Amino acid sequence: DTAVSQTPKYLVTQMGNDKSIKCEQNLGHDTMYWYKQDSKKFLKIMFSYNNKELIINETVPNRFSPKSPDKAHLNLHINSLELGDSAVYFCASSQVVLGGETQYFGPGTRLLVL
Amino acid sequence: AQSVTQLDSQVPVFEEAPVELRCNYSSSVSVYLFWYVQYPNQGLQLLLKYLSGSTLVESINGFEAEFNKSQTSFHLRKPSVHISDTAEYFCAVSDRRANNLFFGTGTRLTVIP
Repeated sequence: DTAVSQTPKYLVTQMGNDKSIKCEQNLGHDTMYWYKQDSKKFLKIMFSYNNKELIINETVPNRFSPKSPDKAHLNLHINSLELGDSAVYFCASSQVVLGGETQYFGPGTRLLVL
Repeated sequence: AQSVTQLDSQVPVFEEAPVELRCNYSSSVSVYLFWYVQYPNQGLQLLLKYLSGSTLVESINGFEAEFNKSQTSFHLRKPSVHISDTAEYFCAVSDRRANNLFFGTGTRLTVIP
């Protein structure tokens, strides 16, 4: 039933580790996004994919690598995790990439780097 | 580039009282405007959006927002709040070509019984 799902919901790991967060949408949308919400609740877009192709990469360190195996999935892989990576990561999707389209958000993945 | 300012980080209000959450934006191009709501431990949900046409837009749960181009504002209002309206509210803009949302820092609305 869930439109946009993310796994895991919580992720606690050590500095220097590599981890992945998975995102799936069953809405048939063409466009998917990753956002980072910091401890002050500020939300910032990280990536946008349209039909498996990268559209936006907003000055994110190259330790972060999104992977879109198909239109319904956009996974986020993070190498060499740092303390500052601790945040809530939200996946979202929209029908098309054009401005004004409603984005549907997943429940978030809370990442804590120790 | 676009930016969004939400001046009030926290707004406490008594149940059944009116509320206004302020949002101002700056942009060198025409934008679309959004309000998203985040309930505790959940993802964001669209509350309402302005694309074009009437400058007053409404949501299904009684919120409304008015686009004011001269003041570059998109304030959110509700005439009578309910306990269930307690949440974090985010104002956002996107330009007309791409759907990358730029968010404000959020306003925490707490409805007091």
